[in-house]
Amino acid sequence: DADVTQTPRNRITKTGKRIMLECSQTKGHDRMYWYRQDPGLGLQLIYYSFDVKDINKGEISDGYSVSRQAQAKFSLSLESAIPNQTALYFCATSASGATNEQFFGPGTRLTVL
Amino acid sequence: GENVEQHPSTLSVQEGDSAVIKCTYSDSASNYFPWYKQELGKGPQLIIDIRSNVGEKKDQRIAVTLNKTAKHFSLHITETQPEDSAVYFCAASSNDYKLSFGAGTTVTVRA
Repeated sequence: DADVTQTPRNRITKTGKRIMLECSQTKGHDRMYWYRQDPGLGLQLIYYSFDVKDINKGEISDGYSVSRQAQAKFSLSLESAIPNQTALYFCATSASGATNEQFFGPGTRLTVL
Repeated sequence: GENVEQHPSTLSVQEGDSAVIKCTYSDSASNYFPWYKQELGKGPQLIIDIRSNVGEKKDQRIAVTLNKTAKHFSLHITETQPEDSAVYFCAASSNDYKLSFGAGTTVTVRA
């Protein structure tokens, strides 16, 4: 089984709808991240969490919110989706301590019409 | 914040030849430089990384070099094979454990 899973893998929605993307991990890592990938822009950090009670904004948090329900679960919400939020979304995890290595999930392709 | 630039954006090489991707970073506090490979339909996967106390690191056909003075680091792939075709991302991080990514390089290995 995959260590970092994301649901759904694909989603098509309409402008104004509320969308939640979910991420679960079995790696036992404390740190979790949400990234957005657009062609030619690499990966941009939306939000990150270093433990259950810690939530931090990344580079592009406007229009997004997150919830860290448990150590293993980190959800990303779009309260009112807009077309320019059409992108590939990745969740990642890393262990606490002197390491920066991040492990990525398979991604969610979101299309907002 | 950190700004990472990556070149080229696309790279086509003949099978068996070498491929080189270059990145520059802006924050002198950055001390960790990973390279990720992303295959179609998958998430990025770490292939090699280097820390600022090392100038070069090699793992079989891939190697990374770091020049702290010039603030640039490079990925070298030798004896390229079709399975090396993918998108490659460089990144930089300091002690805040956040990664700043380059825009990516699409590598195509021609048979």
